[in-house]
Amino acid sequence: GENVEQHPSTLSVQEGDSAVIKCTYSDSASNYFPWYKQELGKGPQLIIDIRSNVGEKKDQRIAVTLNKTAKHFSLHITETQPEDSAVYFCAARNQAGTALIFGKGTTLSVSS
Amino acid sequence: SAVISQKPSRDICQRGTSLTIQCQVDSQVTMMFWYRQQPGQSLTLIATANQGSEATYESGFVIDKFPISRPNLTFSTLTVSNMSPEDSSIYLCSVRGGTGGSGSNEKLFFGSGTQLSVL
Repeated sequence: GENVEQHPSTLSVQEGDSAVIKCTYSDSASNYFPWYKQELGKGPQLIIDIRSNVGEKKDQRIAVTLNKTAKHFSLHITETQPEDSAVYFCAARNQAGTALIFGKGTTLSVSS
Repeated sequence: SAVISQKPSRDICQRGTSLTIQCQVDSQVTMMFWYRQQPGQSLTLIATANQGSEATYESGFVIDKFPISRPNLTFSTLTVSNMSPEDSSIYLCSVRGGTGGSGSNEKLFFGSGTQLSVL
């Protein structure tokens, strides 16, 4: 089945810096890759997603890039703010095309 | 996005008892899923709740331990049976967006979760 690896597990940046989180997936048939942000005590919130027919997608300070050949995708956050501090999860849709398989998460800390 | 209400939000239970978690969605959805998030860990899919038929369980999860109901397109329950401290986790209900076109169907939305502690 699908396997998703995520790095780094923790990331600390200064306010205003950029943050990059990377994920790799194993199933070449996977075609949908979302990113979630989870704040303490809350459920994961979808922040951006990308389909396999697109190489990059942007939404204000957040962007996701996808390299299908290498089977990896990345989340880029520019001009980070303290409120960006959270756990971020990448995911890929599994072989059956129904549920999502998640990476282990990255704890992002933005210090002011 | 769908509004997902999950309850209870948290509970502390005794070993050997069972807890049923409810998930209510504000619109009809085809796909509903239950995930487990162990402390400091990622999300692991328990099962897909199918309307009108038995749930589909992932490897490592069985119906006797995690019975699931899905009586209609807006509601589902997950029961954690015969609990042990190892069942202490956050349990999350999720739905795949709408019954519309393929774009909306891809997005997965989560409830706020049930924090379960087993003593």
